Amino acid sequence: AQSVTQLGSHVSVSEGALVLLRCNYSSSVPPYLFWYVQYPNQGLQLLLKYTSAATLVKGINGFEAEFKKSETSFHLTKPSAHMSDAAEYFCAVTENTGGFKTIFGAGTRLFVKA
Amino acid sequence: EPEVTQTPSHQVTQMGQEVILRCVPISNHLYFYWYRQILGQKVEFLVSFYNNEISEKSEIFDDQFSVERPDGSNFTLKIRSTKLEDSAMYFCASGREAQDTQYFGPGTRLTVL
Repeated sequence: AQSVTQLGSHVSVSEGALVLLRCNYSSSVPPYLFWYVQYPNQGLQLLLKYTSAATLVKGINGFEAEFKKSETSFHLTKPSAHMSDAAEYFCAVTENTGGFKTIFGAGTRLFVKA
Repeated sequence: EPEVTQTPSHQVTQMGQEVILRCVPISNHLYFYWYRQILGQKVEFLVSFYNNEISEKSEIFDDQFSVERPDGSNFTLKIRSTKLEDSAMYFCASGREAQDTQYFGPGTRLTVL
């Protein structure tokens, strides 16, 4: 069964600092992996996705993530945090095992300090 | 740019009442989903729907829940007899392919009193 673990429910960085949000997954089949962002009182917006092409995936707003099969990880990074990056970030995995379902991690709230 | 829409934005109901949450997916999408998010918690998968039938459902999606695509444009989630613990934000999503990007609606906040 698939699962997603996001280490750290809260991450705080200074503006301009590196952002690193961790995601580990378990999946019995090659997964499709996603990062979504949720701003307060809004729905989820796709940041980026991994679909078995390049292992380093670039997304919107300067974010990128690297798929590491050996570590079953899909960590999200951004070289320089901006105040507008403050939001909740969710890692998600989708499997097709006959039916298809998407499992979300618990989320990491990113705080950016001036 | 096309988007997923949901109505109403906020629904207040009494415990035991039936509610129907409505979604209009993006028009050329074939895969449809419902999720819920209890306040302060993670997004939980409820059900996926394709070709007019449920593809997968979670353990949350019990007999009190049902989904329907009644007219080729709307996608509805019905809760037959609401419980206090059904209070949550409900998100609809749609996608072109099974494992492709899902586009989320803005959500319906359901409050059960």
